[in-house]
Amino acid sequence: GAVVSQHPSWVICKSGTSVKIECRSLDFQATTMFWYRQFPKQSLMLMATSNEGSKATYEQGVEKDKFLINHASLTLSTLTVTSAHPEDSSFYICSAGTSGRSYEQYFGPGTRLTVT
Amino acid sequence: AQSVTQPDIHITVSEGASLELRCNYSYGATPYLFWYVQSPGQGLQLLLKYFSGDTLVQGIKGFEAEFKRSQSSFNLRKPSVHWSDAAEYFCAVAAVYNNNDMRFGAGTRLTVKP
Repeated sequence: GAVVSQHPSWVICKSGTSVKIECRSLDFQATTMFWYRQFPKQSLMLMATSNEGSKATYEQGVEKDKFLINHASLTLSTLTVTSAHPEDSSFYICSAGTSGRSYEQYFGPGTRLTVT
Repeated sequence: AQSVTQPDIHITVSEGASLELRCNYSYGATPYLFWYVQSPGQGLQLLLKYFSGDTLVQGIKGFEAEFKRSQSSFNLRKPSVHWSDAAEYFCAVAAVYNNNDMRFGAGTRLTVKP
């Protein structure tokens, strides 16, 4: 149980375009979802936290207009990278938590974004 | 805010040897502590976690970790390493008052020699 999926697993887009990444909790309802960014050979950096039906809370330094997060249901959150630039190329990982399974986040497999 | 330090960026051990990965945390009270493993291009898999109680925690794949309050440490150990253990290991800490606020260490890359 507690499976989180991400789609796509890998995406290439041109500079200036937008790309959407989906994060789904497959067998549980996620009251909270998290989006992380990971640069090569580095740790995970929390970008934002979102609760179902509410606006996301962004970490300091993360541009909310560039990284649009929507948590429309208890099983789906999306991250849209708008007007992507090569410096946005990274590995994006989502995780999901629920009050019923407190103190733990369940991580998706990640999405590799390459902006050319 | 809580923080985590993993002093070793890269560790190499021989297959069959024992392993210890270090993790030190900074937090004003007893935090929630986690160890995750990440294979290349993959997400994170939880190895074990500590919330309270017995300070020696058993996890999956033969790993264990010991919480030492006096040293603010939560080191990960395995008595005999397998080649498949080669991966990146992350220690993480979450605040008790806001357990969704999880912070990760920089990670330790483990290489296993045949």
